[in-house]
Amino acid sequence: GIQVEQSPPDLILQEGANSTLRCNFSDSVNNLQWFHQNPWGQLINLFYIPSGTKQNGRLSATTVATERYSLLYISSSQTTDSGVYFCAPSGGYQKVTFGIGTKLQVIP
Amino acid sequence: DVKVTQSSRYLVKRTGEKVFLECVQDMDHENMFWYRQDPGLGLRLIYFSYDVKMKEKGDIPEGYSVSREKKERFSLILESASTNQTSMYLCASSFPTTSPGQGRLDVYEQYFGPGTRLTVT
Repeated sequence: GIQVEQSPPDLILQEGANSTLRCNFSDSVNNLQWFHQNPWGQLINLFYIPSGTKQNGRLSATTVATERYSLLYISSSQTTDSGVYFCAPSGGYQKVTFGIGTKLQVIP
Repeated sequence: DVKVTQSSRYLVKRTGEKVFLECVQDMDHENMFWYRQDPGLGLRLIYFSYDVKMKEKGDIPEGYSVSREKKERFSLILESASTNQTSMYLCASSFPTTSPGQGRLDVYEQYFGPGTRLTVT
C-alpha cells in the first residue's frame, strides 16, 4: 500500500506565526484529504485536494501529485489551531492511508 | 452538512464481552468505514462497506466483524473483547467516485463521526 510520511512530527508555534506541514506519499494517488483532529478526537475535514491549490481562510493546501507531496499552510496561527493534522491519500479501491500526523501546539 | 454519529463517546467493557459500536450517517453515502486510532500508529482501517450487506476487510480485521443491513447504518462488532482492543474507534462515510462493477473503486471525500473511546478491562 501507499506509504505516507508527515513532517514535522511535532510543532510548537507562537500565536500569530505561520507554518507549513508536509505530506510525502510513495505512490500515485487519486485523492488526498487533510484533516484536523481537535483535542476531543473529532476529525474535521480541511481540504479535499487530489491536485492543485485550495484556500480556506487562513489555511491553504497544495498537492503536486506528479512529485508525490502535499503541503498545508497555516497562517497567523491561533490557539484553536492546536491538535493533530493528518494527511490521507487514496490510491484506489477504497484504501485510504493515513499518516501518523503532525501534532501542533499554538501557544499564546 | 454531512452528519455522522456514533452511538457512544466513551465505553468501558470487560474482557470476553460482545461489544457493538454503531454508526449512522444521514447523507445517503454508499461507502462506510471503521478505523481504530492508537498513539503513534495513526488511523488503521478495520473494515469497510460499499453497499448494503457488502463488506470488505481492511488492514486489521482480526477480532472484529461488521454488519450493514441498512444504507445509513454500519455496525462494528467485537465478538469477544480483549484488552488489546482498547482504542479510539472512528467511523466514516463517503460517496464512491466510481460505481462497483466498473473496476477501480476509489474514495471520495470522507466524513468522520466523533469517535468512541473504548476501554476493555
